[in-house]
Amino acid sequence: QKEVEQNSGPLSVPEGAIASLNCTYSDRGSQSFFWYRQYSGKSPELIMSIYSNGDKEDGRFTAQLNKASQYVSLLIRDSQPSDSATYLCAAALYGGSQGNLIFGKGTKLSVKP
Amino acid sequence: GAVVSQHPSWVICKSGTSVKIECRSLDFQATTMFWYRQFPKQSLMLMATSNEGSKATYEQGVEKDKFLINHASLTLSTLTVTSAHPEDSSFYICSAGGRPTTEQYFGPGTRLTVT
Repeated sequence: QKEVEQNSGPLSVPEGAIASLNCTYSDRGSQSFFWYRQYSGKSPELIMSIYSNGDKEDGRFTAQLNKASQYVSLLIRDSQPSDSATYLCAAALYGGSQGNLIFGKGTKLSVKP
Repeated sequence: GAVVSQHPSWVICKSGTSVKIECRSLDFQATTMFWYRQFPKQSLMLMATSNEGSKATYEQGVEKDKFLINHASLTLSTLTVTSAHPEDSSFYICSAGGRPTTEQYFGPGTRLTVT
C-alpha cells in the first residue's frame, strides 16, 4: 500500500517565524514530490515540486528531499497569516503530470498575527 | 502555473437526476486528467484517471457506471454523476497534466449538493 504520511497538526507558528512541514512516503520508487496548499473550501494549489535530493527554493518556500530517508519537507520563511491553510504533500511514481499522485492527509498550519 | 477551469462551480440537483461537470485546461494540452472527490475535513480521494482518447481507469470502489468520464479532447474532460443521491454530495475536483507542464494542476472544484 503506497502511503504518504503527514502530521495532521494543527501547527501553530507566530507571524514572521519559520514554519516547518514534514512528510514521509512509503514507496521507494517515487520520483516526484509536490507540496500543495489548500484553503478551506477551495481546491489545492501547487506551490512547490521537487525531483532531486537536496533543497529547492522559491521565494519564501524551500522544499527539501531526502530519498534515502524517504522524507520531504517544506519550510515557509517569514510566515504570514495568509499562509494559514492545509498543506498537502504528494508523491508520484512518474512525472507529476502523468502519474497518479498519492496524497497525504495534510497538515493544517495556523499563523498567528 | 497552468490554468484549469471547472464548470459549474456549484450545483444543486434533485435525487435521481444526472449532473455533468466540465474540466478544461486553458493554456496547455492535458494528456491526462484526474477526478477527485473530497468530503468535508477529509483528504482528496482519487476517483479516476483518464487519458485523452482512452477509457478512464477507475479506482477501486468507484462505480464506473455511476461516474461517467469522457476525455474526448486534449482540453476537455467531463464527469457525469448519474442518478445522483444525497450521499454523492461532495466537492469534486479535476486536475490535469500534460504538455508542456511536468506538474499536475487542479481546477477550482465543483460543489455538488443532492437534495
